[in-house]
Amino acid sequence: QVQLVESGGGVVQPGRSLRVSCAVSGFTFSNYAFNWVRQAPGKGLEWVALISHDGSNKNYADSVKGRFTIFRDNFKNTLHLQMNSLTSEDTAVYFCARDQSSFGHKWFDLWGQGIQVTVSS
Amino acid sequence: QSVLTQPPSASGTPGQRVTISCSGGSSNIGSNTVEWYHQLPGAAPKLLIFNDFQRPSGVPDRFSGSKSGTSASLAISGLQSEDEADYYCAAWDDSLHGVVFGGGTKLTVL
Repeated sequence: QVQLVESGGGVVQPGRSLRVSCAVSGFTFSNYAFNWVRQAPGKGLEWVALISHDGSNKNYADSVKGRFTIFRDNFKNTLHLQMNSLTSEDTAVYFCARDQSSFGHKWFDLWGQGIQVTVSS
Repeated sequence: QSVLTQPPSASGTPGQRVTISCSGGSSNIGSNTVEWYHQLPGAAPKLLIFNDFQRPSGVPDRFSGSKSGTSASLAISGLQSEDEADYYCAAWDDSLHGVVFGGGTKLTVL
């Protein structure tokens, strides 16, 4: 069964760190690039980061560059997003999304259900 | 402010044809393919159109995509109540080295 399941969300204080993860099953994880996309409350979709199938190439949105790190474990079929120096503007539902590409972006053909991250004191 | 520009809302009655526009620039729509996603409240987005006009299996042919220059459009014919959702366009941006989304269009079926 093809599945993307996010975990690790929650409430965190401004300036602190949090890691969200995405467990993948039902297909060969290492064949695909993966992304994180977020959606702030009542707002539209915002792409956050992309990682190539082998982890050798990463791209980030300007809004998170230098604070967030995307990485993957192809042995454990898991995608991660390490988020540091969080601010209230990072409050959002975070979706992991499979890319129909191994390197670079084509389109997001599979999405997780999303995980809530709330940055608040 | 989103890099790709969509109308915030659109509406139609059952059976009608509705079009949603997506305007960009030379670094995104003008040089890369466009995707469309729809999202029901509280749910994850789903792929509707890829490569400007192609439909994934399972998406009815009532949905069609097109592109001309730096603009793209999504057309929905034979509008149904279950089409009521938020619709987003997206494309890779060569200048930003990332994916850019439109601000989303909320479609209401009257």
